[in-house]
Amino acid sequence: AQSVSQHNHHVILSEAASLELGCNYSYGGTVNLFWYVQYPGQHLQLLLKYFSGDPLVKGIKGFEAEFIKSKFSFNLRKPSVQWSDTAEYFCAVNAPNNAGNMLTFGGGTRLMVKP
Amino acid sequence: GAGVSQSPRYKVTKRGQDVALRCDPISGHVSLYWYRQALGQGPEFLTYFNYEAQQDKSGLPNDRFSAERPEGSISTLTIQRTEQRDSAMYRCASSLDGRGLGYTEAFFGQGTRLTVV
Repeated sequence: AQSVSQHNHHVILSEAASLELGCNYSYGGTVNLFWYVQYPGQHLQLLLKYFSGDPLVKGIKGFEAEFIKSKFSFNLRKPSVQWSDTAEYFCAVNAPNNAGNMLTFGGGTRLMVKP
Repeated sequence: GAGVSQSPRYKVTKRGQDVALRCDPISGHVSLYWYRQALGQGPEFLTYFNYEAQQDKSGLPNDRFSAERPEGSISTLTIQRTEQRDSAMYRCASSLDGRGLGYTEAFFGQGTRLTVV
């Protein structure tokens, strides 16, 4: 079965700082990769996704993620964070040939951006 | 409604009681998923449905947990004889078609926070 690791549980940044959140997964086959975000008091929302093609994917609100197959990684980046980016971020993987319709999530990273 | 709706938002129950958590997916969505999220962890898969058929229940932790979606729309997750370890956020999601998450996005509700005392 696949698993997902997010190495940073809590990150604190000042506004305008650059962000990179790590995500590694363990599964050698075909994967679809996702980043979800949960703003305080709200539901989980899709930030971006990778299915195939260009390994650098761009999502909403200036976020991007890069799929590096050799490293089993899908790190999330943003060049300049804003206070409104304070949220919890979850990396998730779907292995369509292994677990069909299931998403496996990492443990999440809580990001706090200081104004 | 426009999104996935879950009720109640918060539920406090005494140990040993049964609870039923409700999920109303986005209208027309074929697939419905249940996840459980313990404090400080990511969501964990419990079960999912395509229409009224339960496709995978491998994530249900034991036989006290069950789920149904009798008419292919609203779903109920039932926990019998609740225990303190059942305390968690229970999340429901739906997606437009049943081809899998490689094709369609999952939309999540706000969750039900269950506390067993």
